[in-house]
Amino acid sequence: DIQMTQSPASLSASLEEIVTITCQASQDIGNWLAWYQQKPGKSPQLLIYDATSLADGVPSRFSGSRSGTQYSLKISRLQVEDIGSYYCQQAHSNPFTFGSGTKLEIK
Amino acid sequence: EVQLVESGGGLVQPGRSLKLSCLASGFTFSNYGMNWIRQAPGKGLEWVASISSSSSYIYYADTVKGRFTISRDNAKNTLYLQMTSLRSEDTALYYCARQGYGDWYFDFWGPGTMVTVSS
Repeated sequence: DIQMTQSPASLSASLEEIVTITCQASQDIGNWLAWYQQKPGKSPQLLIYDATSLADGVPSRFSGSRSGTQYSLKISRLQVEDIGSYYCQQAHSNPFTFGSGTKLEIK
Repeated sequence: EVQLVESGGGLVQPGRSLKLSCLASGFTFSNYGMNWIRQAPGKGLEWVASISSSSSYIYYADTVKGRFTISRDNAKNTLYLQMTSLRSEDTALYYCARQGYGDWYFDFWGPGTMVTVSS
């Protein structure tokens, strides 16, 4: 199975700050990676697919990038509505594994 | 508007069975692959099972293989998860999720239904 190692586990940042979350895949998954946001008490929402493509309706302050088997989610200017947990997910092969999550809080 | 609404969760004893349903609306259900994904209390996300649009392809996580069965009724716009031989580690919020943007991305999720396995 492909393991997705996500870091950090938690993150506290100030409003308007740049935030970066990373995921390391245990093997080559190409661009088959998604990022999800889960606000407190809500279902996950797709943010990014194919490593860098923004899902419909997602604000442009969210972006994804890839360097080899390392993937990053960047929030360019943190807003209060961005608090919650973030998960990466590999879409390369079954089982479709998720990272362990990053809990984002406002400082 | 795409809507997915799960039902059928509850408290069940270890070893017993439970069947979850997910009613879909706002899109052509028969055109999309569907999935069950779960989240144990305070924990992360775990993909459980997938079924293709015409039920031709079905996949399971090893943790549920042989105990859970995913199925769908396209005439009723409904996805199912039959769960047998339930264990305490199956306790979780179970989400129904649609596949979009290609094969294995989950673009819409329901609010989930809670399954608690306890004696």
